Amino acid sequence: EAGVAQSPRYKIIEKRQSVAFWCNPISGHATLYWYQQILGQGPKLLIQFQNNGVVDDSQLPKDRFSAERLKGVDSTLKIQPAKLEDSAVYLCASSSVRDTQYFGPGTRLTVL
Amino acid sequence: GIQVEQSPPDLILQEGANSTLRCNFSDSVNNLQWFHQNPWGQLINLFYIPSGTKQNGRLSATTVATERYSLLYISSSQTTDSGVYFCAVAGNTGKLIFGQGTTLQVKP
Repeated sequence: EAGVAQSPRYKIIEKRQSVAFWCNPISGHATLYWYQQILGQGPKLLIQFQNNGVVDDSQLPKDRFSAERLKGVDSTLKIQPAKLEDSAVYLCASSSVRDTQYFGPGTRLTVL
Repeated sequence: GIQVEQSPPDLILQEGANSTLRCNFSDSVNNLQWFHQNPWGQLINLFYIPSGTKQNGRLSATTVATERYSLLYISSSQTTDSGVYFCAVAGNTGKLIFGQGTTLQVKP
């Protein structure tokens, strides 16, 4: 069974630029999550989708971050404009409803 | 929200030694997972264990939900066990709340 796929694996941008990350969950998983992991900390949930709908986006900085999940499968997370403090690893995870969450390899973002 | 505390924050072991990592949480949970984050950043599922005991090779875990803690046991540690171990819990929403992690270094 294929795992959660993410791309790109690494991204370096200047502050105020925009960036987008892509995630393809495990086939059949209805729930998709985006987490942000800052160096030295545990991951923090940014947004949770159930099929196409948003379940929780309470910790998503909506003035600069946006996410969508078209057709209930793939998802993209966008940052526009990026700030220095957005440097982090962005992790995508998926699960069957409220079951074990499986994580992708992550995208390491560096904002200069 | 649910608070998650892990201990110890850092652990250094000699290869072959055993260890116990602890995770305390502040409220009842529907989901508890243990992860190993390898040096490349990949979060690897170790256990899904909201209650009870499970074993997988040299690793085992026990969650006592009524007392709001979980333990991860590593026996006969190897250098490849090095990395950060995270406990994460979720309530009704499914949103995982992570602890700060335990950084394990196993020396040859």
